[in-house]
Amino acid sequence: NAGVTQTPKFRVLKTGQSMTLLCAQDMNHEYMYWYRQDPGMGLRLIHYSVGEGTTAKGEVPDGYNVSRLKKQNFLLGLESAAPSQTSVYFCASSARGGRGGPQHFGDGTRLSIL
Amino acid sequence: EDKVVQSPLSLVVHEGDTVTLNCSYEVTNFRSLLWYKQEKKAPTFLFMLTSSGIEKKSGRLSSILDKKELFSILNITATQTGDSAIYLCAVQRTGGTSYGKLTFGQGTILTVHP
Repeated sequence: NAGVTQTPKFRVLKTGQSMTLLCAQDMNHEYMYWYRQDPGMGLRLIHYSVGEGTTAKGEVPDGYNVSRLKKQNFLLGLESAAPSQTSVYFCASSARGGRGGPQHFGDGTRLSIL
Repeated sequence: EDKVVQSPLSLVVHEGDTVTLNCSYEVTNFRSLLWYKQEKKAPTFLFMLTSSGIEKKSGRLSSILDKKELFSILNITATQTGDSAIYLCAVQRTGGTSYGKLTFGQGTILTVHP
């Protein structure tokens, strides 16, 4: 009963490097989201997807790209990492999206940019 | 812009105490307010409160929603060390274009000492 799985769990990058965070869900949810969590700021939405092949910007999209080639996977990419992107990244999925209902979260990826 | 403010930001109590966590919000076209508990990893869903369900209870945890005054409280009675966590409040809009977005507060860090 995996739910939402994020890989990797930890990563350290140097400024300017690129990487991709993977989110996989096995609940057949249409809606998926990427958030970042910083101390004292709660969770903020980076990008989201309302179905396979769709993506859209959230509150803080700059410096990130996403792709949803398969319904169960949502990838978050950092093209050129910056220290300001040091954060904990959470992926979430939802069955009902705009029709309301809770989102289910993965365990997070802790990313440090040196 | 939607806004969620939680108070207090941190709270330290002893086992057996009762705590009240506060969440006030401003949101256009309110649909629901959600409470999550975050221990070391993924936020886990606790309650969802809507116009048709303004009070929820599960064991020692209970929550109410005041739509007129735009706030919610989360009560925990007879606290245990396992209740130590960050408690997150989030609001959700209605309407298809909302795509289920959650706007989070900063969180309340609860520490329960033996």
